[in-house]
Amino acid sequence: DGGITQSPKYLFRKEGQNVTLSCEQNLNHDAMYWYRQDPGQGLRLIYYSQIVNDFQKGDIAEGYSVSREKKESFPLTVTSAQKNPTAFYLCASSAHLPGLAGGTGELFFGEGSRLTVL
Amino acid sequence: AQSVTQPDIHITVSEGASLELRCNYSYGATPYLFWYVQSPGQGLQLLLKYFSGDTLVQGIKGFEAEFKRSQSSFNLRKPSVHWSDAAEYFCAVGPGTASKLTFGTGTRLQVTL
Repeated sequence: DGGITQSPKYLFRKEGQNVTLSCEQNLNHDAMYWYRQDPGQGLRLIYYSQIVNDFQKGDIAEGYSVSREKKESFPLTVTSAQKNPTAFYLCASSAHLPGLAGGTGELFFGEGSRLTVL
Repeated sequence: AQSVTQPDIHITVSEGASLELRCNYSYGATPYLFWYVQSPGQGLQLLLKYFSGDTLVQGIKGFEAEFKRSQSSFNLRKPSVHWSDAAEYFCAVGPGTASKLTFGTGTRLQVTL
């Protein structure tokens, strides 16, 4: 089955440590996204990538970094510079690039990774 | 700037009762509108979407939503709720580009038996 796989599902980090969240998709989608979700808030966009070896900052990129070396993979690193990293992180992909005919902005989501800073 | 308001943080309904979740948006042109559902500890799943055509759209799991331009609303409805519908529901609005999608803060649905 095609889909998005996030790992690990749960992750604990000590203050001052960097951690990397994995996101892999086999939907053959060009665009991939990372969102952060906090209780009582909507989803906030951290980073997105429309093509391999290119990515753009979202609304809350500070303290995070990403890479896009393969179409299928879009890992997110939560660095020690992120002041409040405890959250639920969601990876998503979309089939169409902006401006292409048929694009609607529909997102397909992974099951999420919960990061807790101890 | 575009925005989405889901005025109900938490709703409780009895199994078998009808359901309506409210979504109001602010957007300068014809929007692309979405409803997503999230079970606890899970990712989001698309229920339905609207971007043109018939203003009443049908989705999965028996849900439907109606786009009302005059009221800037896109309310989600279901005629008879099942216990398995208990989840959090998110409305989203955008221009047809996923990177520009704005999500509401969500409505948590509780279903009593």
